[in-house]
Amino acid sequence: EVQLVESGGGLVQPGGSLRLSCEASGFTFSSYTMNWVRQAPGKGLEWLSDISTGSNSIHYADSVKGRFVISRDDARNSLYLQMNSLRAEDTAVYYCARGDTLFGVVIVYWGQGTLVTVSS
Amino acid sequence: DIQMAQSPSSLSASVGDRVTITCRSSQSISSYLNWYQQKPGQAPKLLIFAASSLQSGVTSRFSGSGSGTDFTLTIRSLQPEDFATYYCQQSYRFPYTFGQGTKLETK
Repeated sequence: EVQLVESGGGLVQPGGSLRLSCEASGFTFSSYTMNWVRQAPGKGLEWLSDISTGSNSIHYADSVKGRFVISRDDARNSLYLQMNSLRAEDTAVYYCARGDTLFGVVIVYWGQGTLVTVSS
Repeated sequence: DIQMAQSPSSLSASVGDRVTITCRSSQSISSYLNWYQQKPGQAPKLLIFAASSLQSGVTSRFSGSGSGTDFTLTIRSLQPEDFATYYCQQSYRFPYTFGQGTKLETK
């Protein structure tokens, strides 16, 4: 069974940093593109970033480019999101998600999310 | 960035109804269009990929159509478990973008 478990969320002050982790199990982690998607309270979904197998290709949404860094450790079956210069508008549930090659890369499996609150 | 616009933003319907949700992209995305269902407190669930392909394990009451810039998600014979929020997403070009969502409520 595919499982994605996020951790690292919490309360952080504006301008601060936080590192999210996602531990994967139930599949060969190194063989899949991985994504981060977030959802602000009561709002819609926002795709943030993806990282391909071998970390060969990385993309970001404009809203986080230059502030967030995605990375992966295939030996630990883990995905990370380093978030710097956090703003109030970064408050959201952050989901780790697996991309499957169905027709291009499609997000199929999602974690349950971790809540990040940016507030003084 | 490619903008995705869904309509309507909310929709009231009854069990047994057939409903249609529309998604329009700001430029052609071929068939790189996916539909997700999200219930309160849960992660999204993939329903349709490649505009019209039903994800494994998803009931055939859901169907998708369209290509280019205009797409639809149709749910026939609504069931109680179908009341949720639905999102379209393009996976044609980075950054991948979602529509704003359509909340399907019981009438």
